[in-house]
Amino acid sequence: AQSVTQLDSQVPVFEEAPVELRCNYSSSVSVYLFWYVQYPNQGLQLLLKYLSGSTLVKGINGFEAEFNKSQTSFHLRKPSVHISDTAEYFCAVVETSGSRLTFGEGTQLTVNP
Amino acid sequence: EPEVTQTPSHQVTQMGQEVILRCVPISNHLYFYWYRQILGQKVEFLVSFYNNEISEKSEIFDDQFSVERPDGSNFTLKIRSTKLEDSAMYFCASTWGGRAYEQYFGPGTRLTVT
Repeated sequence: AQSVTQLDSQVPVFEEAPVELRCNYSSSVSVYLFWYVQYPNQGLQLLLKYLSGSTLVKGINGFEAEFNKSQTSFHLRKPSVHISDTAEYFCAVVETSGSRLTFGEGTQLTVNP
Repeated sequence: EPEVTQTPSHQVTQMGQEVILRCVPISNHLYFYWYRQILGQKVEFLVSFYNNEISEKSEIFDDQFSVERPDGSNFTLKIRSTKLEDSAMYFCASTWGGRAYEQYFGPGTRLTVT
């Protein structure tokens, strides 16, 4: 079984500041990793995913994440945030042979002017 | 771009009533999923469905839940006798090849049980 821990439940930042949302996972088998974003009253939108290859993956809206196998982490970063990035962000994992996503608790990113 | 749709967007029901949540997956997708998110909590897997059968279900998916693909386009989640703790956002997802990295999520149905 897998588990995901998002280390920060809330992250407030000012506009144009950099941000890092932390995610650690636990699994006894190989996994794929994902970040999803949920805007208020909307569904889940895939930001980016790591399947294999380069450990630095780039996603939509200027976000990127780095897979660190030794630290079992998949932190999400953006060098300069906008007000419109205010949302809930979920890290998720799945076994490479599976289809059942396991989500973290979520991190509420609030970007203030 | 094709998308998964869900109806209704918000459903209010009384405890003990049956509810059916509807999803229209992307047209050529073959694998279907339901997830649940209780307010303020993480998104949780409920069930996956392929070839008119449940492929996998979580411990949450007990006998009060059922899923069905009644026709070629809809995928439904039925809760037979709703409880207060069933209040949540329910997300449908679909994929063509059954891989999680291909999952497209719908906008969700907010179920409120009073």
